[in-house]
Amino acid sequence: EAGVAQSPRYKIIEKRQSVAFWCNPISGHATLYWYQQILGQGPKLLIQFQNNGVVDDSQLPKDRFSAERLKGVDSTLKIQPAKLEDSAVYLCASSLGRMNEQFFGPGTRLTVL
Amino acid sequence: GESVGLHLPTLSVQEGDNSIINCAYSNSASDYFIWYKQESGKGPQFIIDIRSNMDKRQGQRVTVLLNKTVKHLSLQIAATQPGDSAVYFCAENWHNQGGKLIFGQGTELSVKP
Repeated sequence: EAGVAQSPRYKIIEKRQSVAFWCNPISGHATLYWYQQILGQGPKLLIQFQNNGVVDDSQLPKDRFSAERLKGVDSTLKIQPAKLEDSAVYLCASSLGRMNEQFFGPGTRLTVL
Repeated sequence: GESVGLHLPTLSVQEGDNSIINCAYSNSASDYFIWYKQESGKGPQFIIDIRSNMDKRQGQRVTVLLNKTVKHLSLQIAATQPGDSAVYFCAENWHNQGGKLIFGQGTELSVKP
């Protein structure tokens, strides 16, 4: 079974630029999550989708971050404009449902200069 | 508030010894806990979980202990191997918030041959 796919794996941008990350969850998984993991810390949930609807985006900095899952399958996370403190690994995870085990992708490492 | 933390940021053990990784949590209403292993450049990988109505659960070479009285969780790895070297996170699953996962800071386990 294929796991959660993410791209790109690495991205370097300058502050104030825009960036987008893509995630393809495990087939059949209704729930999709985006996490931010700053170096030395545990992942922090940014947004959770159930199919194509948002369940929780309470910790998403909505002035610069946006995410969508239009067809209830793959998802994109965008940052516009980026700040230095956005440097982190962005992890995507998926699960069959909201109470099921979450499977994580390899992440995208973002460096903002 | 949201807080799951670890007592020790780093742990170094000799190959073949047993490892114990500790975690303190703050939300007494948490009813489900998970241990994840994260290797360099990869996303977190599920190791073992435990529900709040249990105080011990065993897997293959791993045991999780839960003490709800003092809000403490531990992961025991028997006969630690070099392949166990990674960062280990405990996480609370807030079922009453749609399965939101709150991660602790992490402990880096280093296994010496």
